[in-house]
Amino acid sequence: DIVLTQSPGTLSLSPGERATLSCRTSQHINSMYLGWYQQKPGQAPRLLIYGASNRATGIPDRFTGSGSGSGRDFTLTISRLEPEDFAVYYCQQYSASLWTFGQGTKVEIK
Amino acid sequence: EVQLVQSGAEVRKPGESLRISCQGSGYKFPSHWIGWVRQMPGKGLEWMGIVFSGDSDTRYSPSFQGQVTFSVDKSISTAYLQWSSLKASDTAMYYCARVAAGRNDPFDIWGQGTMVTVSS
Repeated sequence: DIVLTQSPGTLSLSPGERATLSCRTSQHINSMYLGWYQQKPGQAPRLLIYGASNRATGIPDRFTGSGSGSGRDFTLTISRLEPEDFAVYYCQQYSASLWTFGQGTKVEIK
Repeated sequence: EVQLVQSGAEVRKPGESLRISCQGSGYKFPSHWIGWVRQMPGKGLEWMGIVFSGDSDTRYSPSFQGQVTFSVDKSISTAYLQWSSLKASDTAMYYCARVAAGRNDPFDIWGQGTMVTVSS
């Protein structure tokens, strides 16, 4: 299985600050097959980013996804945190026959 | 509106069977894969597997192979997740989600979740 490791586990920031979330895969994947989801308490997850850098429908442009050339390191950046952005974020790979999620990064209000 | 609507919360005893459902609407149901995701209390998301709504082709995570069964009734645009003998460790929120297009695409639409509680 491809293991996804997210860091940090928790990010404590203030509204207006920039958030940088990392997702590292245990083996190279094509960036087409990396997505990011947001989950707020009591809600289902929501797709934010697909194909490493494409925003899903209705996702504001303060959310940016990127990948390094290694095919193992991916980043989700939230340029200026809004109050509604405090949530848990998961990366997911859907490249292999078995898909996997990272363990999540919680973005909390400092 | 494209949506997935899941069946309501369930409470069962260990050893009992259970089937929960996920009904799609607003899109061509047989053309998409449906995935199942487990979230244990206070924990992260776990990919259980996917089932193709057109022909019931399935892919199970090894962690869930033999523990659950996916099925589909495309005549009523509904996917199912089934247990034959529940354990206390099956207590979790279960989400269904639509795979966006082909088999290797993200989950673009999610159901609201079904909470399953297994307790004696």
